[in-house]
Amino acid sequence: DTGVSQNPRHKITKRGQNVTFRCDPISEHNRLYWYRQTLGQGPEFLTYFQNEAQLEKSRLLSDRFSAERPKGSFSTLEIQRTEQGDSAMYLCASSLRTSGGETQYFGPGTRLLVL
Amino acid sequence: AQSVAQPEDQVNVAEGNPLTVKCTYSVSGNPYLFWYVQYPNRGLQFLLKYITGDNLVKGSYGFEAEFNKSQTSFHLKKPSALVSDSALYFCAVRDVYSGGGADGLTFGKGTHLIIQP
Repeated sequence: DTGVSQNPRHKITKRGQNVTFRCDPISEHNRLYWYRQTLGQGPEFLTYFQNEAQLEKSRLLSDRFSAERPKGSFSTLEIQRTEQGDSAMYLCASSLRTSGGETQYFGPGTRLLVL
Repeated sequence: AQSVAQPEDQVNVAEGNPLTVKCTYSVSGNPYLFWYVQYPNRGLQFLLKYITGDNLVKGSYGFEAEFNKSQTSFHLKKPSALVSDSALYFCAVRDVYSGGGADGLTFGKGTHLIIQP
């Protein structure tokens, strides 16, 4: 399977704990995006990378959230001191930057439940 | 700021009938427009997109969408619905002139499409 993969698929944690999610994009894609989706809502953009550079952060990305893409391949999203409001599906997508309008391909997501 | 509205939470269609899922958008400049479908407990699957050119865009699984600039709409259509089309559909937009940022997609809230046998 050459699609976007995410691990773990599910995570249950207690409030105050730190969690880390991993995303492996489609191999030739230079852009990688993180989104958050809560029940009954569409995905909301969090941040994105072009190669290893983090180019944009949404105002939704509080200082408890940090994302990295150290070698321009896989990415990690860490949430520190989790809160119940962090419970959501975290989606990763990747694309190949061309002249614009490129398609973002999504992974299956990581569902986080904070107790 | 960019935004997307999907005015219907749910659309019910009988199998074999044509279907339409509505989407309107707002951007500062010109839009890139996308439709995605989401099945339960799965990520989003790309259906089709409008970048430029022909206003009628054809995509996967027999779906098509028509870009209407004057009405700022991008409705998803299919001539004959299948039960297997039942899913959650999302419209998304990105401004062509993202400038210093805003390369992330802005999604609507989604429309549940239910095809009845």
